[in-house]
Amino acid sequence: QSALTQPPSVSGSPGQSVAISCTVTSTDLNNYNRVSWYQQPPGTAPKLMLYEVSNRPSGVPDRFSGSKSGNTASLTISGLQAEDEGYYYCGSGSAGTWVFGGGTKLTVL
Amino acid sequence: QVQLVESGGGVVQPGRSLRLSCVASGFTFSRYGLHWVRQAPDKRLEWVAFIGSPQNNEKYVDSVKGRFTISRDNSKNSLFLQMNSLRAEDTAVYYCVRDGPHYDLDYWGQGTLVTVSS
Repeated sequence: QSALTQPPSVSGSPGQSVAISCTVTSTDLNNYNRVSWYQQPPGTAPKLMLYEVSNRPSGVPDRFSGSKSGNTASLTISGLQAEDEGYYYCGSGSAGTWVFGGGTKLTVL
Repeated sequence: QVQLVESGGGVVQPGRSLRLSCVASGFTFSRYGLHWVRQAPDKRLEWVAFIGSPQNNEKYVDSVKGRFTISRDNSKNSLFLQMNSLRAEDTAVYYCVRDGPHYDLDYWGQGTLVTVSS
């Protein structure tokens, strides 16, 4: 079983950088490297932004980056833009089952 | 381009049933596992069910085991979720999601809202 913990909210001004953390607690060590990140602007469906901690799918701006330290993965958004506002979720899957963090609301001031 | 389009949501009384559908396009449907993921009004995401391919193995979150059944029809590029004995806590937007190649969920539908209320 796994559990993912995110802060409920973060904020930043346009042009700044913000980081969102995701602390992973799991009995399967592989889950620590299988963290993916999803962006959900208001009124839309979630969208994959990073997979396997730090890899960007085609079309995702390089302002979005990922890293891992110990059991905590982080999503960093640099050069913050108004369109980045919304919810961000980390998730981790294994053998068809998935668990998500509680979500972090990003506010662009 | 990959598209996933859900339908079948609505308002239903507790204890009743509902069947969700998802029609896929833009990829070889039979080659991918598929999920249902729901989002409750408090915005939390919860994984609900998975069906693999080609073996059609099924997995469920504990809270829906015995009540929900996931299935697929590869000839119609369609995914289904049969929901029985619905409860108020099943109220959510239900998303059809493709199982990606990198331990990810790479494409999501637009969602269909299920409201369980008397």
